[in-house]
Amino acid sequence: GAGVSQSPSNKVTEKGKDVELRCDPISGHTALYWYRQSLGQGLEFLIYFQGNSAPDKSGLPSDRFSAERTGGSVSTLTIQRTQQEDSAVYLCASSLETGTDYEQYFGPGTRLTVT
Amino acid sequence: KQEVTQIPAALSVPEGENLVLNCSFTDSAIYNLQWFRQDPGKGLTSLLLIQSSQREQTSGRLNASLDKSSGRSTLYIAASQPGDSATYLCAPWDYKLSFGAGTTVTVRA
Repeated sequence: GAGVSQSPSNKVTEKGKDVELRCDPISGHTALYWYRQSLGQGLEFLIYFQGNSAPDKSGLPSDRFSAERTGGSVSTLTIQRTQQEDSAVYLCASSLETGTDYEQYFGPGTRLTVT
Repeated sequence: KQEVTQIPAALSVPEGENLVLNCSFTDSAIYNLQWFRQDPGKGLTSLLLIQSSQREQTSGRLNASLDKSSGRSTLYIAASQPGDSATYLCAPWDYKLSFGAGTTVTVRA
């Protein structure tokens, strides 16, 4: 079946602009994660959605970052007033998280460049 | 905060050799641990997930062991091939994955 998809694959934006990144998880997966991979910081957790529970936002680096998940499926990560240090690859992952099935499947990522 | 260390940082071997990739983590209160590979410019591909109650998990030429109490996991790749060249990442899960910097493997033909 279809895997996790993300759009756009690449985004170049000017400093100070807002950007939206989209993630379509695997159908039926209740859990959705956002991670960020940058040269200086490696791969780091940003936010976790599980079903109808309140999201775990503990990894968001500043209040310029926010995310929502509509209808338990598609998620959008929004970065307001982008800064150069926001340049990174943003990865989305989804997981079934029932029984013992907690394997996370990653999308191809969105490469964000802030100029 | 979970800290993950992977040793070695890089490894270059001739085709056919067995690979041993080490991972250590500081907080043993994990539910599972996942091994991934990442090819340059690509996303992460899941290789194996090992539950905290398991000691080993095998998939084809790959075998992962987990010693949760000592905070260690090892990924063994048997009879390496040039197609195994990639960066390998281990990630313990405690409601989120924490990643090490990875081991970059080069298998020479």
